[in-house]
Amino acid sequence: DAKTTQPPSMDCAEGRAANLPCNHSTISGNEYVYWYRQIHSQGPQYIIHGLKNNETNEMASLIITEDRKSSTLILPHATLRDTAVYYCIVRVARGGNEKLTFGTGTRLTIIP
Amino acid sequence: EAGVAQSPRYKIIEKRQSVAFWCNPISGHATLYWYQQILGQGPKLLIQFQNNGVVDDSQLPKDRFSAERLKGVDSTLKIQPAKLEDSAVYLCASSLANPGLANEQFFGPGTRLTVL
Repeated sequence: DAKTTQPPSMDCAEGRAANLPCNHSTISGNEYVYWYRQIHSQGPQYIIHGLKNNETNEMASLIITEDRKSSTLILPHATLRDTAVYYCIVRVARGGNEKLTFGTGTRLTIIP
Repeated sequence: EAGVAQSPRYKIIEKRQSVAFWCNPISGHATLYWYQQILGQGPKLLIQFQNNGVVDDSQLPKDRFSAERLKGVDSTLKIQPAKLEDSAVYLCASSLANPGLANEQFFGPGTRLTVL
C-alpha cells in the first residue's frame, strides 16, 4: 500500500472548519483514500473514504486533488469532541482482504 | 447494532507470564483483525482472519503470539511468554467481506496490556 505523509499536529478553533492535509504522491489507480480517527482511549473510528471524486457524509468532506496525489479532510464546524488523532490511509479494496496500514497521523486539537 | 466487544479492558502481568484477550466481532462480519498499538504509534496489524482461516499473519511474532478464531466468530489472542515490549493496546476490528467494495473496519475499545 502507498505511504502517506501528514503533519504531526494541528490546532483549530472551535466552530471553525478543520482542514487536515494528506500527501499520497505514490498512490496507485486502484487505491482508495481512507480517513480514520482515534479519540483518546478508544479504538479508531472510520470517517470517510474516496477513490477520485470528492465525498461528503454526516461527519466530514473529503477533497481529492485531480492527480490524486493529495487529499484534504474537512470537518466543517469543529467541536471539542473532534479532538483526536486523524489517520490518512491508502489501500486497495479487494473485498474483505484489505489491511489498514496506519502511520502516526495528525493530532488535531480543538481549542475553545 | 452492537459494536465489537473486547475483554478484558485492562491487564497487568509480569514478564514471562501468559495472557489472553478475547474479541467478539459484529454479527455477520466475516473478517476479523487484531492490531497492536504501542504508545505514540498507529495500530499495527498482527493477524487477519477470513471466517476461521488466517489471511495474513506476517507480522505476528509466532514464537510467543498465537490467535485462533474457532467457528469463525469469536477470537482469542494469546501471548506466552510476555515480554516488556509487549506493553501496548491490543485492538480487535471486524468488517464485512463484500467483493469490490471498500469495506470499513469497526474497532473495539481495545485491551491495554502492561507488562512489568
